[in-house]
Amino acid sequence: GAGVSQSPSNKVTEKGKDVELRCDPISGHTALYWYRQSLGQGLEFLIYFQGNSAPDKSGLPSDRFSAERTGGSVSTLTIQRTQQEDSAVYLCASSRQVDDNEQFFGPGTRLTVL
Amino acid sequence: EDQVTQSPEALRLQEGESSSLNCSYTVSGLRGLFWYRQDPGKGPEFLFTLYSAGEEKEKERLKATLTKKESFLHITAPKPEDSATYLCAGWGGATNKLIFGTGTLLAVQP
Repeated sequence: GAGVSQSPSNKVTEKGKDVELRCDPISGHTALYWYRQSLGQGLEFLIYFQGNSAPDKSGLPSDRFSAERTGGSVSTLTIQRTQQEDSAVYLCASSRQVDDNEQFFGPGTRLTVL
Repeated sequence: EDQVTQSPEALRLQEGESSSLNCSYTVSGLRGLFWYRQDPGKGPEFLFTLYSAGEEKEKERLKATLTKKESFLHITAPKPEDSATYLCAGWGGATNKLIFGTGTLLAVQP
């Protein structure tokens, strides 16, 4: 595809359930980033991948959040035992490499936890 | 603490009324200053990267400038289609990550 894609576009879940969010980066981009955007807040960095490894997990809000990337391509962000405060738009971005910080963003997944 | 602050939070302009958006930053070891545009329901769209004080970049009605403490996004003779949220981000600092401001919501009325 021409750009970063994310699925689902919207997800409504009940408190306590687990959710998986998917990101397909631009082909050939080695760096992949996850952000969270809450209403009225700036983009909050969560985690980034260089290839399949995640050198910096410092932004993950709690141990309920995890992410993986396989084959240097698709990434999934998993939130276990969701809480209402997890409700936000989760954005994924990719760049050619970590030192090339021209990041291209996907459309986001809007997560609503009831 | 590394921080990026944008002002104003919201700006309403008449079509053709030029103005500037401000992004002030305290990011140690700044490697770049980024501007993005975000439309409702979409991800941010890259506009500019500025790497050093004094640098300027232009794209259509937009011009971005950078000093050692702040960046400006100048909008000349805006059109309604320029309405969006404009995000500024600093790259560098202790964590070598993009640090985003909360954005300026621009509304251009015909």
